[in-house]
Amino acid sequence: GENVEQHPSTLSVQEGDSAVIKCTYSDSASNYFPWYKQELGKRPQLIIDIRSNVGEKKDQRIAVTLNKTAKHFSLHITETQPEDSAVYFCAGGNRDDKIIFGKGTRLHILP
Amino acid sequence: DAGVIQSPRHEVTEMGQEVTLRCKPISGHDYLFWYRQTMMRGLELLIYFNNNVPIDDSGMPEDRFSAKMPNASFSTLKIQPSEPRDSAVYFCASSDSRSNQPQHFGDGTRLSIL
Repeated sequence: GENVEQHPSTLSVQEGDSAVIKCTYSDSASNYFPWYKQELGKRPQLIIDIRSNVGEKKDQRIAVTLNKTAKHFSLHITETQPEDSAVYFCAGGNRDDKIIFGKGTRLHILP
Repeated sequence: DAGVIQSPRHEVTEMGQEVTLRCKPISGHDYLFWYRQTMMRGLELLIYFNNNVPIDDSGMPEDRFSAKMPNASFSTLKIQPSEPRDSAVYFCASSDSRSNQPQHFGDGTRLSIL
């Protein structure tokens, strides 16, 4: 089955700088890679997703890249703001089938 | 749409008691997922249903855990008997395969077994 590894587990960046979170997956059949943001005490919420036929996708300050050959994908947040502080989860799998989540990255935006 | 609705939001009970968590998926969604979240193990998929049928329950930790989906608008996750190590936040999520939407999570049930 699918296994998703995520790193770092904790990341601190100065406000205004960029943050990068990286994930690897094991199942070459996986074709869907969502990213979720979870604020303290809240539910995970989808922030962006990418399919395996696309190498990069951008939405304002957030971008995801996918390297199918190497089986890794990354989340990039530019011009970070205090409200970006949260736990971010990557996941991999088939869109409508089960997806497997990484262990999460706790992002701290420092003033 | 009200989103995925879970109840109760919080549950505190003594070990050995039966616990029932409830979930109402988004109307029209044909997939329903149950997850457990802990600091140590992260977000774990316990079981998921498609059109009310359990597809994969390989994540259910023990026979003490069971889940049902009697109709398209309701699912339960039951723990009997409960143990302190079952303490966690349990999330339900649903998705719609027809419009290729991602999984939408409910607000979760914070379960504490004393």
